[in-house]
Amino acid sequence: QQQVKQSPQSLIVQKGGISIINCAYENTAFDYFPWYQQFPGKGPALLIAIRPDVSEKKEGRFTISFNKSAKQFSLHIMDSQPGDSATYFCAPNFETSGSRLTFGEGTQLTVNP
Amino acid sequence: NAGVTQTPKFRVLKTGQSMTLLCAQDMNHEYMYWYRQDPGMGLRLIHYSVGEGTTAKGEVPDGYNVSRLKKQNFLLGLESAAPSQTSVYFCASSYRTATIYGYTFGSGTRLTVV
Repeated sequence: QQQVKQSPQSLIVQKGGISIINCAYENTAFDYFPWYQQFPGKGPALLIAIRPDVSEKKEGRFTISFNKSAKQFSLHIMDSQPGDSATYFCAPNFETSGSRLTFGEGTQLTVNP
Repeated sequence: NAGVTQTPKFRVLKTGQSMTLLCAQDMNHEYMYWYRQDPGMGLRLIHYSVGEGTTAKGEVPDGYNVSRLKKQNFLLGLESAAPSQTSVYFCASSYRTATIYGYTFGSGTRLTVV
């Protein structure tokens, strides 16, 4: 069952540009929406997360935008840097249990210098 | 403070061989997980454990077995390896509510079955 769908699969941006990655989900009961970042040869790590009571959360250059009615949330990376080159996964889930994350397929971001 | 440690990091198996992947965490996390990562398919949950002595099936459990005899260790076994099990395997751990701190992942085990 495909509950989570990410787009695009890959993304190339220039240094200083804006990177946008989208995540669509089916389960309306999800109430916690994180993004994970994975560098080559490493495991994923929690980058930023949002709860559905707010529509946007910003941490430095990273912003999550949440659209409950569309069942979508997105990751925006402002002033993208070559060090942001990584694979990004969304993993919407349930805050009360928070276990058994279902990950999107991943988006491979390349930021050219 | 090592976090989550996986051994081995690389392994090549012949079809039909067996092996055990080891995962150890030093954060006193209750929950532990085994995922496999394949190109274009994200991370898929194989098995997980919500506490010492308990295990449960995830999304793709066939061909794998697990054990959690101690809270800090979670073992993944392949009884008879098949080429379809060629993948990168990640172990992760978390508190009961994984949302605040998220999952802590190991660095992965790259397994090739020939």
